[in-house]
Amino acid sequence: NAGVTQTPKFRILKIGQSMTLQCAQDMNHNYMYWYRQDPGMGLKLIYYSVGAGITDKGEVPNGYNVSRSTTEDFPLRLELAAPSQTSVYFCASSNRQYHSNQPQHFGDGTRLSIL
Amino acid sequence: KNEVEQSPQNLTAQEGEFITINCSYSVGISALHWLQQHPGGGIVSLFMLSSGKKKHGRLIATINIQEKHSSLHITASHPRDSAVYICAVDTDKLIFGTGTRLQVFP
Repeated sequence: NAGVTQTPKFRILKIGQSMTLQCAQDMNHNYMYWYRQDPGMGLKLIYYSVGAGITDKGEVPNGYNVSRSTTEDFPLRLELAAPSQTSVYFCASSNRQYHSNQPQHFGDGTRLSIL
Repeated sequence: KNEVEQSPQNLTAQEGEFITINCSYSVGISALHWLQQHPGGGIVSLFMLSSGKKKHGRLIATINIQEKHSSLHITASHPRDSAVYICAVDTDKLIFGTGTRLQVFP
């Protein structure tokens, strides 16, 4: 089982460039999440999705966009890269049900540097 | 004040020692998660609990809902336990602590 797969693992961008971080899960999970992890800080939620066609903002959505056209895929788009977006990005998924918590499954992360 | 506080921030131990990592939170939660992040960066869910105690191998997690406090214990610690341990509370979305960096030396 692949679980949650993120690509690329590393990327260096110049200020103003755009890119898409890919995330795919093969567990048929309904919920998917994008987090960023900055040094000394807890993970922060960027965007999440409760199912195909539905996305919503998290705590730090500015500068990012997402889409969820299929259950499996949840790409994160940076349109105009800024140095403040240098971070490690994690995608996660869970099989969350109403009144039922489930653990989240994380990808291996994408380390992104904006120079 | 952060909604989720972990202590200590850093912890070193000799192989075989008993380890305790603490997590306090200030919000109402439906569950609490303990996660492990290895030096390579990957994050793995260790426990999800909403009451009492759970055990998996040498790891034990406890939670006291009234006191809004959870602990993660590692018995007979081993160098392979070296990692960052992260507490996260579930309030419909996860709110994460900043992690406890554990190093276990042989």
